[in-house]
Amino acid sequence: DAGITQSPRYKITETGRQVTLMCHQTWSHSYMFWYRQDLGHGLRLIYYSAAADITDKGEVPDGYVVSRSKTENFPLTLESATRSQTSVYFCASSDRAPGTEAFFGQGTRLTVV
Amino acid sequence: GENVEQHPSTLSVQEGDSAVIKCTYSDSASNYFPWYKQELGKGPQLIIDIRSNVGEKKDQRIAVTLNKTAKHFSLHITETQPEDSAVYFCAASSTDSSYKLIFGSGTRLLVRP
Repeated sequence: DAGITQSPRYKITETGRQVTLMCHQTWSHSYMFWYRQDLGHGLRLIYYSAAADITDKGEVPDGYVVSRSKTENFPLTLESATRSQTSVYFCASSDRAPGTEAFFGQGTRLTVV
Repeated sequence: GENVEQHPSTLSVQEGDSAVIKCTYSDSASNYFPWYKQELGKGPQLIIDIRSNVGEKKDQRIAVTLNKTAKHFSLHITETQPEDSAVYFCAASSTDSSYKLIFGSGTRLLVRP
């Protein structure tokens, strides 16, 4: 299916565990982003990538790791999950950024217990 | 870095009335200002955007205005309908090489039938 897909949609994990959220887009967009959404904070940028093998930190990168070995995939890893990382995570992609529309996935609701 | 503030956090209007959401930004280098609508359980979706060389843009019942001197921009929805009920996010970005899309905290709009 064309578009941007995130997996899993829901995840419950324990404190201290490593967890990876997957993001896949079929448009070959250059730019990809990870945001977290928390009540009262809106969408905060965690990491972004301008192309394969090029990544950079956003507003709230601590505790997260990203990689982009292929243009279409942009996984987000929580190395040692904490309860403060309980959130809804959105992946997005954009073609020929800057100044163009970003397309968002459906989100992953992560609960850290 | 860029900071975007959005007001109000919640807005309730009667069907048929107008709704206005306002945002301010801090980085004078920002020159792209999109608005996203997020329905329950879904990712945000672009509804309208404006670039810094334009003061106003309209698309049917929605319009966005931009005041670069004051560093604020607004979303106007006329003749509101129940299906307009959603969370709306403003965002700002700079079109330089360090492209980042920074979001406001969101406005929950409720249109009462």
